[in-house]
Amino acid sequence: RKEVEQDPGPFNVPEGATVAFNCTYSNSASQSFFWYRQDCRKEPKLLMSVYSSGNEDGRFTAQLNRASQYISLLIRDSKLSDSATYLCVVSRSGNTPLVFGKGTRLSVIA
Amino acid sequence: GAVVSQHPSWVICKSGTSVKIECRSLDFQATTMFWYRQFPKQSLMLMATSNEGSKATYEQGVEKDKFLINHASLTLSTLTVTSAHPEDSSFYICSAKVFQETQYFGPGTRLLVL
Repeated sequence: RKEVEQDPGPFNVPEGATVAFNCTYSNSASQSFFWYRQDCRKEPKLLMSVYSSGNEDGRFTAQLNRASQYISLLIRDSKLSDSATYLCVVSRSGNTPLVFGKGTRLSVIA
Repeated sequence: GAVVSQHPSWVICKSGTSVKIECRSLDFQATTMFWYRQFPKQSLMLMATSNEGSKATYEQGVEKDKFLINHASLTLSTLTVTSAHPEDSSFYICSAKVFQETQYFGPGTRLLVL
């Protein structure tokens, strides 16, 4: 079993739609959780960290369920510029390497 | 945010040659640098963790004699792919961090081995 698993995608949605991505992780010792965004042929960029209480940044809401080892990302009012691959990322601590999921590709269509 | 550069951004080489990729933290001193590899439609896979002044720690399945990592200063780490073969063609990305702070990624290097 992979350490981080995500919805395979791709998700093709119209502008303005709400879309949700799910992710599960297998290592219960994981302490830090993130969503990264990766555009085609580019490096990943941090979208947001994920906290146990859930957190929101504009149109993006991330949630964490430690008991279920489940992380989610909700994007509201999708924009064309949101089209990218979204990577679920976990690590055991600040000093350990990041473990990346395979990513879920999102295409927002006009 | 912090800036990490990589050079070259892309390289095409013949099978059997060695390729060196540089990773620099431009505006901070990185205590740790990481090297990742990403094949098409796959996730980033960690290859090795590099701390300045010490030997790199390689992930299982990554040949340390084939992927030579040198981290001579707090702002520079290099990855040398020795005797590259077509199966080494990939997107190589480095990242840098200071202690437990956020990792910052370089723009990546595309390697194509013919």
